[in-house]
This record gives sequence, C-alpha cells and structure tokens, in this order.
Amino acid sequence: GQSLEQPSEVTAVEGAIVQINCTYQTSGFYGLSWYQQHDGGAPTFLSYNALDGLEETGRFSSFLSRSDSYGYLLLQELQMKDSASYFCAPLGGSQGNLIFGKGTKLSVKP
Amino acid sequence: DAGVIQSPRHEVTEMGQEVTLRCKPISGHDYLFWYRQTMMRGLELLIYFNNNVPIDDSGMPEDRFSAKMPNASFSTLKIQPSEPRDSAVYFCASSPYRVANTGELFFGEGSRLTVL
Repeated sequence: GQSLEQPSEVTAVEGAIVQINCTYQTSGFYGLSWYQQHDGGAPTFLSYNALDGLEETGRFSSFLSRSDSYGYLLLQELQMKDSASYFCAPLGGSQGNLIFGKGTKLSVKP
Repeated sequence: DAGVIQSPRHEVTEMGQEVTLRCKPISGHDYLFWYRQTMMRGLELLIYFNNNVPIDDSGMPEDRFSAKMPNASFSTLKIQPSEPRDSAVYFCASSPYRVANTGELFFGEGSRLTVL
C-alpha cells in the first residue's frame, strides 16, 4: 500500500527556522518532491531529491533518507510570504507519478 | 512563455448538469495531468496523458468522469451528471519529461467547481 504523513499545521514567527517532516510508504520509489501552495493558488515546485542528502535552494533546503523513507523541508529566515501549504510528494507506483496528500499549513506570525 | 491555462476558473452548477473543464498545457510538454483537490482527500491524481494518449486513469472516481486529449494543446475533463460531492478544485498540470526524472510539474491556476 502507500501512505504519507506530514503535520497538518505548523506555526512559526518571522525570521525563525521551521522544519516540516515527511514520512512515506510507496512502491517503486523514485524520489521526493516538495511543493508550495498559497491559498487560492496553484501548487508550485520547490525541490526534488532523487538521492539521499541535502539540497539547498536559497532559504529553502530539502533532505531525503531513502532507507528511512523520510524527508524534510527546512525553511530559514521565515517571511510572512512563506505562509502557505507545503506538500511533500513522493514519486512512486508503477508510473513514478507524484503522490500528494493534504499538506502542511504553515502560518508565519510577525 | 504562457503557463498552463485552465477554464473556467469558477463554475457553479446544479446537480445533474454536465460540466466540462478545459486545459491548455505549456507548449512542448508531452505529459498532461488532471488532479482534484478537496479538504478531505487532499490533492489526488485523476488521469494523465503522454503524447495525447491516456496512460493511467485509475484515479478517475467513476464512470461519470471522462477525460480527452484530442491534440497536444488541449484537454478536457467532463463530469456527467455532476453531483455535490464533485465540488472541488480541479487542477491541470503539464511536464516536458516523465515526472520521475525531475519531480516537477507545472500547474494551472485551477477550476473551482461547486455543484449545488
């Protein structure tokens, strides 16, 4: 079967660091993507980890451990505009397509 | 370059009516996906096409749903007859490559469907 776990909500203050954890179970795992979605908007791609380790893109970093079926998204120097939902999306199944869930709603407070 | 274009952005209809959602993928993208997003179930893959051919429609909820891609620049998702439980935001997304290669999809702004 397949499963996906990430916290439903996270709150942090401006300037802080927040980590959103993700555990997954899927057949045929290819990698782990992260997407951001603002209220009323479209999901937008943030990062993709095909191999174990840390990928850094500006204030955002994403980590993957294939052996632990675990990943996280690290957001540094939080800004108000980072308030959004964040989806971890493993690529799995026979087709290697993205598997989304309900995401984590991040609220950044002043 | 224009992104993925969906229409209508908002649709309100009554139960039993036919609904047609439209999508124009980014030019040159060979893969097209239809997703549905609800609070209860999150973002779910309904169907995807490669070079206009449906590859996997296992996510289509039932026979009331159908999708077509008559050419590389146009796809439709049709619901007939519609029911209140079909109320959701429907997203179309496209990709130039097999998504497992890059993990990246380009999403349209979505069509918010309300069935009364």
